[in-house]
Order: sequence, then C-alpha cells, then structure tokens
Amino acid sequence: DAKTTQPPSMDCAEGRAANLPCNHSTISGNEYVYWYRQIHSQGPQYIIHGLKNNETNEMASLIITEDRKSSTLILPHATLRDTAVYYCIVRVALFLSGNTPLVFGKGTRLSVIA
Amino acid sequence: DAGVTQSPTHLIKTRGQQVTLRCSPKSGHDTVSWYQQALGQGPQFIFQYYEEEERQRGNFPDRFSGHQYPNYSSELNVNALLLGDSALYLCASSLLRHTPTNEKLFFGSGTQLSVL
Repeated sequence: DAKTTQPPSMDCAEGRAANLPCNHSTISGNEYVYWYRQIHSQGPQYIIHGLKNNETNEMASLIITEDRKSSTLILPHATLRDTAVYYCIVRVALFLSGNTPLVFGKGTRLSVIA
Repeated sequence: DAGVTQSPTHLIKTRGQQVTLRCSPKSGHDTVSWYQQALGQGPQFIFQYYEEEERQRGNFPDRFSGHQYPNYSSELNVNALLLGDSALYLCASSLLRHTPTNEKLFFGSGTQLSVL
C-alpha cells in the first residue's frame, strides 16, 4: 500500500504557483520523497526527489518539513501543459539488491485553468 | 537519444489467450521494471529485471512472466488472460549503479491491453 496521503484533486490558475501537498507521517529515516506526474495517455514522468533538504530543479521545487512527515511540490508558474496526475512516493533506495520499486497511490489530479 | 519504447501501443485479446509485450530501455540503462495500471488507479509493480534475471516481484500470479535479453530489452508475457488483465502496461528503465541522489526511473508510454 502507498505510504502517502494526497488530496484527490486541485485546481490552479494558469501562471500562478501550484502547491501540491503530501502527507507521509510514517516515513523512515532512509526513505526519500519522490514526485512523478502522469499526463493523460503517457507514462509517469520523474519530477524531483529529496531526502530532507529542500530541492529545486528546472521543473519544480520540493519543500520537506523539518520532521519529514509532510512535503509540498511547487510548480512556480503553472501552465496548461502541467495538467496531470501528480504522485508523491516515499521509497527506500537499496542499491545492492536492486532498485526499490515505486509504490503509487492514486495521486492528485491537478487541473490548470486558463 | 531515444527514451523507453514499448510495442505495441494497443492490443486486443480474448479471454484465455496469451500476450507478449515488448520494451526497449533508454540508452545506457540496464534495469527494466514492468507496471500494470488499471483505469483510474496508480501503476502497480509487477517485476524487475537486471542481468537477465528477475530480481524483484510484486503481488502478481505466475501467469505473469518476463524475460530480459543481453541488449537489456525486455518482454512481459501474460498467459490465460482474464478480463481483469485489461490495463495499461508500463515499462520503466533505470541504471542500477545510480546513487540515491540521482537515481530516477524513465517510463515508456505503455501498451493498452484490452481483454474481451
């Protein structure tokens, strides 16, 4: 079962920041927080991941609370092309016995509105 | 640089038949994972292949089997198809020796399987 809780849906006005919350209150010290998104009729796309520090890349920013029990994905200037289902996943990275599978929940359906 | 490619894109089968789906990983990747995504649900992990061996497996029956070739490409086989096997089947590739700070999966666009 997924170890994260996300709202089922959110709306965001085009050009505004989209803030997608995720609760992972049972996260372990060696688990990373990953975000993927899935645009309709495509496979999931990696966005960003982090352990405990805030992270930023060309797509988004990831803010992880100090106790690591929740996080927020921020899309700074949402466009219509950002409309997708966003998945928050916690995952242990085990590299001696193989890459740990991703456990997806139902995610948050983000609708960016013109 | 081609990403993950899957074939076919769509497939229609009848109950009891067998199906083979194919995946070519992203160039330079050595690990292939397969996921099943039912309508309205998140993807569910089926199994993972590395060095031509199944390394990890999710909660799927033995009707689901796979193979990885020396060129890292992979196949997913499903025998005795059931109506409930209708889903989007996704292939994802990665490089095993990536570190946790830069490891990520690349997904293909999937094969939509319909079982009638």
